[in-house]
Amino acid sequence: SQQGEEDPQALSIQEGENATMNCSYKTSINNLQWYRQNSGRGLVHLILIRSNEREKHSGRLRVTLDTSKKSSSLLITASRAADTASYFCARSGETSGSRLTFGEGTQLTVNP
Amino acid sequence: EAGVVQSPRYKIIEKKQPVAFWCNPISGHNTLYWYRQNLGQGPELLIRYENEEAVDDSQLPKDRFSAERLKGVDSTLKIQPAELGDSAVYLCASSLARGETQYFGPGTRLLVL
Repeated sequence: SQQGEEDPQALSIQEGENATMNCSYKTSINNLQWYRQNSGRGLVHLILIRSNEREKHSGRLRVTLDTSKKSSSLLITASRAADTASYFCARSGETSGSRLTFGEGTQLTVNP
Repeated sequence: EAGVVQSPRYKIIEKKQPVAFWCNPISGHNTLYWYRQNLGQGPELLIRYENEEAVDDSQLPKDRFSAERLKGVDSTLKIQPAELGDSAVYLCASSLARGETQYFGPGTRLLVL
């Protein structure tokens, strides 16, 4: 079974707007990772944030982690049509070794 | 650098038939994972290998699923016999070591009729 939730399940925005996706989880983590999946493709790793980190940036991506609230967010700034994809957060738990537990994902559509 | 390679990309079989998926991880990656992804869901881990040893197979339905990584490099996942509910995308991933970033292959899309 999958733990935690992502919201929203679907998000539709216009090019140039920012997109924010949230991820909540239930158990303690070692790290949390965000992945992107284009339709019919494999997952592409975006960012890994460790439990002792609060924020990380990579290009137009910004990830925050609040371990007290057991939540993380992914912000994509100045979105492009090519950002259209499903975005998943995956938790690596303290007691699960390197097993990643994925949420159900957020389907992002960026309209040109 | 080549990524994770999987074959076949698509497979259509009738129920009760066997099927096998192959994965070649990124060179030098000791840890290999097999995931199953149902439509509209995130991937779920089936089995994790550290070199040739299966160290986490608690989610693998052992009555019909089997996997091997004989030389600690490429791996095969087999289903025998396949059931309708096995229709999904089977993803292989690899990482340098346990806990490091996982890199995914394109997956094998299985349809069981």
